Amino acid sequence: DGGITQSPKYLFRKEGQNVTLSCEQNLNHDAMYWYRQDPGQGLRLIYYSQIVNDFQKGDIAEGYSVSREKKESFPLTVTSAQKNPTAFYLCASRDNYNEQFFGPGTRLTVL
Amino acid sequence: GEDVEQSLFLSVREGDSSVINCTYTDSSSTYLYWYKQEPGAGLQLLTYIFSNMDMKQDQRLTVLLNKKDKHLSLRIADTQTGDSAIYFCAETPGGGNMLTFGGGTRLMVKP
Repeated sequence: DGGITQSPKYLFRKEGQNVTLSCEQNLNHDAMYWYRQDPGQGLRLIYYSQIVNDFQKGDIAEGYSVSREKKESFPLTVTSAQKNPTAFYLCASRDNYNEQFFGPGTRLTVL
Repeated sequence: GEDVEQSLFLSVREGDSSVINCTYTDSSSTYLYWYKQEPGAGLQLLTYIFSNMDMKQDQRLTVLLNKKDKHLSLRIADTQTGDSAIYFCAETPGGGNMLTFGGGTRLMVKP
């Protein structure tokens, strides 16, 4: 089955810890995205990558970092510099017709 | 700046029609999208409309676009309890391949 997966589904972090959220796709898409969703709000773009070994900051990149060493993978690290990391994180990839396909999300909670 | 507005909440009875409204700001958006998000899940593309169209129908879904007023609507005919979800509209500012999302409308369908 082709698709986009995220792991873990739930993640708990202690204050001061870095955590990494996984995003993998087997759709052969070049472009991938990370969004943050807070309750009652829309999606805000954290980082995006148009191609392997390249990525750009989105609207709320502070306190986050990414890498894109493989086409299939776009992990997001939430660093201790992110002061309010509790949120639902969504990863997406985009096809050549501009449709974005979303993963099931990771819910991160800071204890 | 870019700002996509939606009402927060809509409640309808099963079998009635639902109309979810959205206003956007960027007249150069080439595509406008409607996504559905079920609880605890990622976003699923429902439908989209190209900016040179006024209307698009897809089974129970009808999208209306008023470019002059920058107003987009999604009508769901014969609404079912399985349609209960959050619905997001999204525009493509500057005609590019980035998406700007509205805050989402929570649709509740009562039996």
